Amino acid sequence: GIQVEQSPPDLILQEGANSTLRCNFSDSVNNLQWFHQNPWGQLINLFYIPSGTKQNGRLSATTVATERYSLLYISSSQTTDSGVYFCAVEQGTSGSRLTFGEGTQLTVNP
Amino acid sequence: GAVVSQHPSRVICKSGTSVKIECRSLDFQATTMFWYRQFPKQSLMLMATSNEGSKATYEQGVEKDKFLINHASLTLSTLTVTSAHPEDSSFYICSALQRGTGLSVQPQHFGDGTRLSIL
Repeated sequence: GIQVEQSPPDLILQEGANSTLRCNFSDSVNNLQWFHQNPWGQLINLFYIPSGTKQNGRLSATTVATERYSLLYISSSQTTDSGVYFCAVEQGTSGSRLTFGEGTQLTVNP
Repeated sequence: GAVVSQHPSRVICKSGTSVKIECRSLDFQATTMFWYRQFPKQSLMLMATSNEGSKATYEQGVEKDKFLINHASLTLSTLTVTSAHPEDSSFYICSALQRGTGLSVQPQHFGDGTRLSIL
């Protein structure tokens, strides 16, 4: 099956710093989603971005499908950004099934 | 829009009992729902795909007799953990695909999860 690798696995920032999270995938995909899982376990859908660039406030994401990677940018980080960030991909042959990466644990300190 | 409600949010029960978890799409019809399991400090692992009116498709290594899935309507899927044991303790999350959006590929909408603890 498809492999999804996220980096870095852990990231510690001071409030106000910027960061870039990366998601590499081993095969072509027709869907890619970025999620933030907060400390209570809730999975927040950040972006649905099979290709191109999207922005939502301090967050933006870019997926380069031909090179099989996606980037999530967090600017001016806040303590509430802490949690685990997952990317998940869907292949055309998977029947809409998502494969998740291992996640990036982000800690933003005040 | 596209809200998925999952209940209960937390369950603590004795070993040997059965536990039912509900996943509802509140403002849309879901032809397909998915059930995931997440152990502490790990990623989400797909357990099964649930299609309305048909049998669920289970991932390799998931016991279908242990984890019973029913998708009787376009807005409700249930997961029943039968004869639960401590090793079944985990965080269970459902997701739903919206029907009829006209999109060739649809994003999945997730519930808030159920934390199951078996004593």
